[in-house]
Amino acid sequence: GEDVEQSLFLSVREGDSSVINCTYTDSSSTYLYWYKQEPGAGLQLLTYIFSNMDMKQDQRLTVLLNKKDKHLSLRIADTQTGDSAIYFCAESPLGNTPLVFGKGTRLSVIA
Amino acid sequence: DTAVSQTPKYLVTQMGNDKSIKCEQNLGHDTMYWYKQDSKKFLKIMFSYNNKELIINETVPNRFSPKSPDKAHLNLHINSLELGDSAVYFCASSQAGGGNTEAFFGQGTRLTVV
Repeated sequence: GEDVEQSLFLSVREGDSSVINCTYTDSSSTYLYWYKQEPGAGLQLLTYIFSNMDMKQDQRLTVLLNKKDKHLSLRIADTQTGDSAIYFCAESPLGNTPLVFGKGTRLSVIA
Repeated sequence: DTAVSQTPKYLVTQMGNDKSIKCEQNLGHDTMYWYKQDSKKFLKIMFSYNNKELIINETVPNRFSPKSPDKAHLNLHINSLELGDSAVYFCASSQAGGGNTEAFFGQGTRLTVV
C-alpha cells in the first residue's frame, strides 16, 4: 500500500539548518515532492526530485533521496522565521495517480 | 491570475444542509482533484477526475459527489452535511502523463458545520 511517514514537529533556531525527513513505501514512485503550507494558505510546491537522482539543490533547499531505503529529506539552510510552516512530503505512486501526502512536519523557527 | 481558484473561501452551514464548493483551473490540465485536510492537517485524497475516469477514494461517503461541467471545473457537492465534515477542502489539478504529476493547489475552502 501507499504510505508516507514524517515526524510531526521540528523546532530550530534562526540561522541554523533544518532537516525534515520522510519515508515512503511505493518504489514505483518516479517523482517525490516537497510542499509548503503557510498558515491559512494552500499548498505550494517547493521542489521535487526525480527518482533516478540522489540529490537536488535549489538555493537554500537541498533534497536528498535514498531510493534503496525509500528515504527523502529536505534541508533548509540558514532557516528564517518566514520558513515557519508545515512541510509535506508526497509521492506519486505509479507516476500518474494522485499524490499521496505524509502527515506534514510543522517547522517552528525560533528567533 | 490565479491558477486554481476555489469558492467560497469560508463556508459555515448547519447540519443537514446541502452545499457546493466550486473549483476552476486555468492551467489547461486534464486532471483535477479534491483533497480533505482535517484539524490535524492530515491531507487525504477524496477524488481524482479527468475526462475519462472518476476515481473515488473508497472511504469517502456517498454524500460527497464531484461534478465536472467541463475540463476546467470540478465542483464538490455535499448532501446532508454532518459535524464531521468540518475541514478544509482543497482542489488541485495536474497534467497526466510524463510521470511528473506535480499538483497545483487552490487556497482551500474552510467548511464549518454547526
